[in-house]
Amino acid sequence: NAGVTQTPKFRVLKTGQSMTLLCAQDMNHEYMYWYRQDPGMGLRLIHYSVGEGTTAKGEVPDGYNVSRLKKQNFLLGLESAAPSQTSVYFCASSYSSSGNTIYFGEGSWLTVV
Amino acid sequence: EDQVTQSPEALRLQEGESSSLNCSYTVSGLRGLFWYRQDPGKGPEFLFTLYSAGEEKEKERLKATLTKKESFLHITAPKPEDSATYLCAGGTSYGKLTFGQGTILTVHP
Repeated sequence: NAGVTQTPKFRVLKTGQSMTLLCAQDMNHEYMYWYRQDPGMGLRLIHYSVGEGTTAKGEVPDGYNVSRLKKQNFLLGLESAAPSQTSVYFCASSYSSSGNTIYFGEGSWLTVV
Repeated sequence: EDQVTQSPEALRLQEGESSSLNCSYTVSGLRGLFWYRQDPGKGPEFLFTLYSAGEEKEKERLKATLTKKESFLHITAPKPEDSATYLCAGGTSYGKLTFGQGTILTVHP
């Protein structure tokens, strides 16, 4: 995948713990996204950003917060993890024009017990 | 509500046996219809974007087509290395994607 890096790749959390997923892209993209992928549900958009300092809600934003303090980074936070947030999380980015190619990271596997 | 539906859910082919995957969509303000390939444990890998009905794009053994309501991914003479999950997504403003559930393709040698 072209320049979208996610950390960590794997994490196990206890219910109620907090954590942050980091996404970094080196393609100077304006738009960045966080998706979650669950069996039988497909990929669903959590939050997105259209530029540094901006964030917006996607389809399933509840329980998550995001920040875009630097253009190349997009952080996804879980303030109080719940078992329903067990999922694979994908970050993506694209140039600032709808219809442009959207590049995905390799994913972060999160288990909440 | 935007909706993307892919069929079949799973498809098993013999090497060399051509077939098609279907993607039906109802997406308001569609800016592009995207196809991705996803291997187990990996992120989606971009294949094609189609922008208007009648458009076709090809890459090796894959050809994607688009109508006003559906998109098809045709696989000609597939090889085992084509085995993967193929994802279809409708793109709207700001590059937001609405995904289908995917078709799991298995190609047997």
